[in-house]
Amino acid sequence: ELKVEQNPLFLSMQEGKNYTIYCNYSTTSDRLYWYRQDPGKSLESLFVLLSNGAVKQEGRLMASLDTKARLSTLHITAAVHDLSATYFCAVVYNQGGKLIFGQGTELSVKP
Amino acid sequence: DAGVTQSPTHLIKTRGQQVTLRCSPKSGHDTVSWYQQALGQGPQFIFQYYEEEERQRGNFPDRFSGHQFPNYSSELNVNALLLGDSALYLCASSLLGNYEQYFGPGTRLTVT
Repeated sequence: ELKVEQNPLFLSMQEGKNYTIYCNYSTTSDRLYWYRQDPGKSLESLFVLLSNGAVKQEGRLMASLDTKARLSTLHITAAVHDLSATYFCAVVYNQGGKLIFGQGTELSVKP
Repeated sequence: DAGVTQSPTHLIKTRGQQVTLRCSPKSGHDTVSWYQQALGQGPQFIFQYYEEEERQRGNFPDRFSGHQFPNYSSELNVNALLLGDSALYLCASSLLGNYEQYFGPGTRLTVT
């Protein structure tokens, strides 16, 4: 069964700093997603990565995918308080649309 | 364009009772997936429906069952509720074969 692991699970950052969240997965998959979740809310789609070497950027967030290493990263540049949330990566299992999620990374950006 | 909708928003039930949650997919989507998210954890896949049939299922007991209607909307039923069933239940819709999945706002179920 496909396993997805994120690290770190908790991240406390200062505003203006950079950091990276890592997402490792155990078997081959052709799609990887990053989602944001605010407390008590649903999942907001951030990025869909479809191929090896894919890189996508939106504002202060940039996601990349290395399918050979089975690794995706979510890089945060010059963090601001509004980025405080829990971030999940998810991988499609067996091309069937079933998403396997990581444990989530709870990000707290402090002034 | 209405996105994925779910009802009710919140629900409180007692152990042993049964519950039905509802989901309407985004316009044009034909596939509905259900996820359970316990507090502090990532969502866990329950099952997926396409053309009114269960297409895939996760590691959930038979107490969890579902249905998809001809208009693509879906229901999740949980029988004999346990305290451990307390969670946020998320519905996601997609077009079969397309990579985008859109999540609804969720139903918060509390079992007392």
